[in-house]
Amino acid sequence: ETGVTQTPRHLVMGMTNKKSLKCEQHLGHNAMYWYKQSAKKPLELMFVYNFKEQTENNSVPSRFSPECPNSSHLFLHLHTLQPEDSALYLCASSQGGTYNEQFFGPGTRLTVL
Amino acid sequence: GENVEQHPSTLSVQEGDSAVIKCTYSDSASNYFPWYKQELGKRPQLIIDIRSNVGEKKDQRIAVTLNKTAKHFSLHITETQPEDSAVYFCAAKDTGFQKLVFGTGTRLLVSP
Repeated sequence: ETGVTQTPRHLVMGMTNKKSLKCEQHLGHNAMYWYKQSAKKPLELMFVYNFKEQTENNSVPSRFSPECPNSSHLFLHLHTLQPEDSALYLCASSQGGTYNEQFFGPGTRLTVL
Repeated sequence: GENVEQHPSTLSVQEGDSAVIKCTYSDSASNYFPWYKQELGKRPQLIIDIRSNVGEKKDQRIAVTLNKTAKHFSLHITETQPEDSAVYFCAAKDTGFQKLVFGTGTRLLVSP
């Protein structure tokens, strides 16, 4: 598959569960991002990784834990989430530089019960 | 850090009309301003962008204008079609590394 892929596409979890979201980019990019999309804050940046190094943590609660083992893969580990964490989680990637387009994945629709 | 405001939040037009969406930004050092379109149930996709050294850019029916002095930029869609119906997000590149700050989105509805 080409572009940016995310799995799973839908996830329902209880507040005590632990789950992980996976993102993979097939574009040869060196930067990857996690965004949260909800009705209240349509596109909220969570984390930025550049060449596997985290360069941005936008005051995200510790119940969200990112992992970037290489430039092509990005994970978001979830534990002890709250119902208000229910949202669409989008992954994106881009090439380095100021003017480069961010390509988004299809997202994971997360529901926390 | 950068802050982006976007207006209106919803916009309804008749097919064939023009639509304008406006954004303001706070950091005068921001130098890159992309616009993304998100159709219902789909991922956001870039439709046009502009750099700070350019005042206007066109691509067929869409255009973007930038006023650096006033720190605002706008998306213009002419001859709107029903398939233009979507949520549109503006963004500004924060002077920090690789970070885009998005506006809150405009839901455009084009009625036949």
